Amino acid sequence: GAGVSQSPSNKVTEKGKDVELRCDPISGHTALYWYRQSLGQGLEFLIYFQGNSAPDKSGLPSDRFSAERTGGSVSTLTIQRTQQEDSAVYLCASSFPGAGGTFEQYFGPGTRLTVT
Amino acid sequence: GQNIDQPTEMTATEGAIVQINCTYQTSGFNGLFWYQQHAGEAPTFLSYNVLDGLEEKGRFSSFLSRSKGYSYLLLKELQMKDSASYLCAVRDMGYSTLTFGKGTMLLVSP
Repeated sequence: GAGVSQSPSNKVTEKGKDVELRCDPISGHTALYWYRQSLGQGLEFLIYFQGNSAPDKSGLPSDRFSAERTGGSVSTLTIQRTQQEDSAVYLCASSFPGAGGTFEQYFGPGTRLTVT
Repeated sequence: GQNIDQPTEMTATEGAIVQINCTYQTSGFNGLFWYQQHAGEAPTFLSYNVLDGLEEKGRFSSFLSRSKGYSYLLLKELQMKDSASYLCAVRDMGYSTLTFGKGTMLLVSP
């Protein structure tokens, strides 16, 4: 079946502009995660959605970052007033935390954001 | 908090065996994952350990010692396509987020 998809695959924006990154999780997956991966760094957790529960926003680096998930499916990560240090690959993952299993996360291909 | 350490780079030759170590110090533990990430691609799941011992899956095996906060990923019969970054990740209590190490870049040479 279809995997996690993200759009756009690449985004170049000027410093100070707002950007929106989109994630379509695997159908039926109730959990959705956003991560950021900078060059030479590990994956940095940003935000986690699980069903209708309040999202875990503990990883968002500043109030310029926000995310929403509509209808328990598609999610949008918004970065306002982008800065050069926001340049990174933004990865989305989804999982199905049902009974049993590993609840492994399936990753999308990522959006490479470059702030000039 | 979570602290995960793994070597930055490793090199090995085709056909050999390589062991990638991961040590962690976490406030809670509910499983350790290994992911493979080829350059420019998304991470893909390799293995999961929640109990002590060795989990074998084809050419790849993963070991966990919870008392030592230690895991390793063992890759046998290395192939050129195994050149990639290998990410160790720990899940805290509950079934939510993962904390990732910075990854180990493995280069397999002929």
